[in-house]
Amino acid sequence: KQEVTQIPAALSVPEGENLVLNCSFTDSAIYNLQWFRQDPGKGLTSLLLIQSSQREQTSGRLNASLDKSSGRSTLYIAASQPGDSATYLCAVRPQGAQKLVFGQGTRLTINP
Amino acid sequence: DVKVTQSSRYLVKRTGEKVFLECVQDMDHENMFWYRQDPGLGLRLIYFSYDVKMKEKGDIPEGYSVSREKKERFSLILESASTNQTSMYLCASRAEDRHTYEQYFGPGTRLTVT
Repeated sequence: KQEVTQIPAALSVPEGENLVLNCSFTDSAIYNLQWFRQDPGKGLTSLLLIQSSQREQTSGRLNASLDKSSGRSTLYIAASQPGDSATYLCAVRPQGAQKLVFGQGTRLTINP
Repeated sequence: DVKVTQSSRYLVKRTGEKVFLECVQDMDHENMFWYRQDPGLGLRLIYFSYDVKMKEKGDIPEGYSVSREKKERFSLILESASTNQTSMYLCASRAEDRHTYEQYFGPGTRLTVT
């Protein structure tokens, strides 16, 4: 059974810092991995999708990497801003499955 | 841009009521999903649909049913609401089952059952 873990559960950093969020999964048989952002009380916004054959994806200040063999992904946020404060979730789509399996998320706070 | 909308942001219902949560997507996606999100439990799949009138159970289907009469609309039904169904409900859609496609989420419905 696929399990996804995100550590730490919460992170607080000063504005302007570069930071890395971690995601690990137990089974490397996946189609893809997706990073989402969730603001309090809101739905999920898709940030980046990495296919199983890819190593990384970039969008603006965000860069996500995938090491499928070790079951790890990282989300790198450059030059963090207070507006980046949110919960970040990673999810994998296991091979043969329709659903996504989610981690518990990392709650990120950027302090001005 | 893909848009997934949900009929209500907040809903308060009484125990035993029949509750309908509606979800509409505007990108002609074949696949639609209902998840619930609870603190400490994360997101869990309730049901999904891969075509009109087609559905499959997810991880926690007990107490729920679904309806998909039109491609763009996917409804979640709580036949007799109970307090343990108080939760955030999230609808999602994805294009035809090609492994490369992203899943897009709606804004969520916060349901409280009293």
